[in-house]
Amino acid sequence: KNEVEQSPQNLTAQEGEFITINCSYSVGISALHWLQQHPGGGIVSLFMLSSGKKKHGRLIATINIQEKHSSLHITASHPRDSAVYICATQLQGAQKLVFGQGTRLTINP
Amino acid sequence: DGGITQSPKYLFRKEGQNVTLSCEQNLNHDAMYWYRQDPGQGLRLIYYSQIVNDFQKGDIAEGYSVSREKKESFPLTVTSAQKNPTAFYLCASSISGTVSHEQYFGPGTRLTVT
Repeated sequence: KNEVEQSPQNLTAQEGEFITINCSYSVGISALHWLQQHPGGGIVSLFMLSSGKKKHGRLIATINIQEKHSSLHITASHPRDSAVYICATQLQGAQKLVFGQGTRLTINP
Repeated sequence: DGGITQSPKYLFRKEGQNVTLSCEQNLNHDAMYWYRQDPGQGLRLIYYSQIVNDFQKGDIAEGYSVSREKKESFPLTVTSAQKNPTAFYLCASSISGTVSHEQYFGPGTRLTVT
């Protein structure tokens, strides 16, 4: 069974801090997604990656296929980064996603 | 503007009534999905459709029904058989196929049944 675990569940930090959110999964996958959910509920896709590292602005996502682990990093964090960050995995040949429970990030000014 | 719309944003129903949640996309995506989100839990797949006139049950399909008569539309009906219908419902779409594709999400509908 494909299980996705995120840590921490909740994270509070001060503006400017470097943030790391972790995601571990249990089976081989074709891709891993990082999503952002704002308080209103809408979800935005941040990254989809199957190997290595991707960067978009202050956000960096990495994945280690052998260790079945991915991290999402936020540099120079800002209060507008406050949201729930969700990791989801996708199996080979399937479009269905399996989701982690999310990490609630709060950045204080 | 391309995207996914869900309506309404908030929906209130009495127990025992069926209710239909709307999901429309103009991204020309073949695949569409319905997810349910409960507090403290990850999103769970209710139903998905890879192509018009075809759909499959997800992990928690009991008490729900869908149709896919048009590529753009994938409505979800929450029936009276669903034991705990109060939740946040999200619709998504993606390009179909064997290669992984990004999913695009709608703004969600918060359903409250009393």
